[in-house]
Amino acid sequence: NAGVMQNPRHLVRRRGQEARLRCSPMKGHSHVYWYRQLPEEGLKFMVYLQKENIIDESGMPKERFSAEFPKEGPSILRIQQVVRGDSAAYFCASSPELAVHNEQFFGPGTRLTVL
Amino acid sequence: KNQVEQSPQSLIILEGKNCTLQCNYTVSPFSNLRWYKQDTGRGPVSLTIMTFSENTKSNGRYTATLDADTKQSSLHITASQLSDSASYICVALKAAGNKLTFGGGTRVLVKP
Repeated sequence: NAGVMQNPRHLVRRRGQEARLRCSPMKGHSHVYWYRQLPEEGLKFMVYLQKENIIDESGMPKERFSAEFPKEGPSILRIQQVVRGDSAAYFCASSPELAVHNEQFFGPGTRLTVL
Repeated sequence: KNQVEQSPQSLIILEGKNCTLQCNYTVSPFSNLRWYKQDTGRGPVSLTIMTFSENTKSNGRYTATLDADTKQSSLHITASQLSDSASYICVALKAAGNKLTFGGGTRVLVKP
């Protein structure tokens, strides 16, 4: 059973471009979470999704950021018109429908660098 | 405000020695507290998860304690190994919802 997969592992974008980060949850997991880790800081919650639904997006910046988890395919975190401050590691985690203690399993992250 | 504070920020220990990391949290209502290990360039990996009714939990050379009254937790690493060099993150979960609150982590460096 493969773990949570994220791609790309590293992404370089110029200011103003779009960044698309993908997350494939563990097999059988229907809940996906996105977190951002700025340099030298802890992880911060961004958004929680179930298949085709956004459950909690209270940690998402109001503009330029969006997330989806379609019925088929990976979850996508999309950042439009990137700025230097978006440079960070973005981690995805997943959990099954009935998670003991809501345990979440993390992917290896995507490191976004905005030039 | 829901917060998780960790100390120290960083720690250097010699291989074979023990160390203890501290965590204070103000997340309320509290559901459970977990410790993660994050190697450089990788995602966090769960070490222990404790509910408010549990005082201690071990995972190999890692032992976590929880005092729900004082809202404090600790992670003790016994007989450290070079592979223990990583960031150790304390994370609290609120009773309602699935949102985790992360501490800033303690960077541990084990030297030979």
